[in-house]
Amino acid sequence: DVKVTQSSRYLVKRTGEKVFLECVQDMDHENMFWYRQDPGLGLRLIYFSYDVKMKEKGDIPEGYSVSREKKERFSLILESASTNQTSMYLCASSFDRFGYTFGSGTRLTVV
Amino acid sequence: DQQVKQNSPSLSVQEGRISILNCDYTNSMFDYFLWYKKYPAEGPTFLISISSIKDKNEDGRFTVFLNKSAKHLSLHIVPSQPGDSAVYFCAASHKMGAQKLVFGQGTRLTINP
Repeated sequence: DVKVTQSSRYLVKRTGEKVFLECVQDMDHENMFWYRQDPGLGLRLIYFSYDVKMKEKGDIPEGYSVSREKKERFSLILESASTNQTSMYLCASSFDRFGYTFGSGTRLTVV
Repeated sequence: DQQVKQNSPSLSVQEGRISILNCDYTNSMFDYFLWYKKYPAEGPTFLISISSIKDKNEDGRFTVFLNKSAKHLSLHIVPSQPGDSAVYFCAASHKMGAQKLVFGQGTRLTINP
C-alpha cells in the first residue's frame, strides 16, 4: 500500500514566519504534488514535481516555493506566511496520471 | 478558468436512497475521470474512475456515468449509507496534461438516518 506521510497534522504559525511543510512517500513515485483545499474552491494545485530537483508551478504558486532533493521527499515552503495562506495543505504522489495517493493533510493556521 | 465544475456545494439524502453527484467539465481533451472521497481531517481517497472510451463503470454501490457529448459525469451511490457522508471531488486528466489531475470544487454529501 502506497503511503504518503505529511509531517504535521496541525500547525499554527505567525505572520511573516518561514514555514516548511514536509511530505514523504514510500513507493518510488516519480510525481509529487502540493494542493491546498479551501471551502468552495476545491483542490488547487500549488506546485508539482516529476523528478528530483525538478519543479513546475501549478495554478497558485505565489507566496510558495518547493524543494525536491530526494525522490521520496517533497517540501512546500511558505517564504513569509500570511493569513490568506491559512488552509488545508495536501500532498500527493503518483506513478502516472491515472490517480494520486494523498497524505492526511496539514491544517495550517497563520495568525 | 474552472475546467471541472461541481455546481452543488452540498447534497442531503436519506439513508437507503440513491445519491447522485454531478460534475461538468469544459476541456474536451480530458479523457480520464476520477472521483475522490474526503472525510474531515483526512486526505482524499480514490473511489472510482472511468475512461472516456466507456460511458459507465460500476464498483459495488458506486457507479460513474460519463456523457461525453454533454461533458458531464455523475456518481451514483445506491443505497446510500451514513458512512458515505463526506466531501466528494470530481477530477479529470488528459494525455497532454502533464500527469496532473484537475479537481472540481467538491460536493458535501450528508446521509440522514
